[in-house]
Amino acid sequence: ILNVEQSPQSLHVQEGDSTNFTCSFPSSNFYALHWYRWETAKSPEALFVMTLNGDEKKKGRISATLNTKEGYSYLYIKGSQPEDSATYLCAPSGGGGNKLTFGTGTQLKVEL
Amino acid sequence: EAGVVQSPRYKIIEKKQPVAFWCNPISGHNTLYWYRQNLGQGPELLIRYENEEAVDDSQLPKDRFSAERLKGVDSTLKIQPAELGDSAVYLCASSLAQGAWGTDTQYFGPGTRLTVL
Repeated sequence: ILNVEQSPQSLHVQEGDSTNFTCSFPSSNFYALHWYRWETAKSPEALFVMTLNGDEKKKGRISATLNTKEGYSYLYIKGSQPEDSATYLCAPSGGGGNKLTFGTGTQLKVEL
Repeated sequence: EAGVVQSPRYKIIEKKQPVAFWCNPISGHNTLYWYRQNLGQGPELLIRYENEEAVDDSQLPKDRFSAERLKGVDSTLKIQPAELGDSAVYLCASSLAQGAWGTDTQYFGPGTRLTVL
């Protein structure tokens, strides 16, 4: 069973602030790292799938980086908006079969 | 394109009662997953299907949980009898399973929030 840690557990920021979260995972037996955004009462939404060390992905104001050698990924949100309020989950896949092991998530609240 | 459909969205039952959840994956997706998310935790895989075959059910509590995927499309997850600790969100996801190992994006439904009283 993979040990996946996300920090911080929760975060309150003001509209317009930039913020970032951390996902730590075992670097051995690594296949890919998935990021999801989960808004209350909605379906978890896939943000990124990252595989290569040094990989960077971007989607609008959200970007992510990956370090497979040391086992961590950062998710950045530039100029946070209230609609960014959600729980952000990371999940490395390893051990075969596209099995994802989710962290406990970072709950982001963007206030006006 | 329609997403993953789950029903019901909410369910409240008394302990020892049975309950069933239904999932319709995205059309053409061969792989279907059931996850359970307990309060304050990330989703945990219960079972994974490749077409109609359950290929990973190691985390499914088989004494009270059962699942089926008829004709490799829709799936049902059942709990009988339910216990207080089964209160959680039950998520269904599907994927094409055509990508490289571990890189297939899983598309999730909105989940069923189960409360056992």
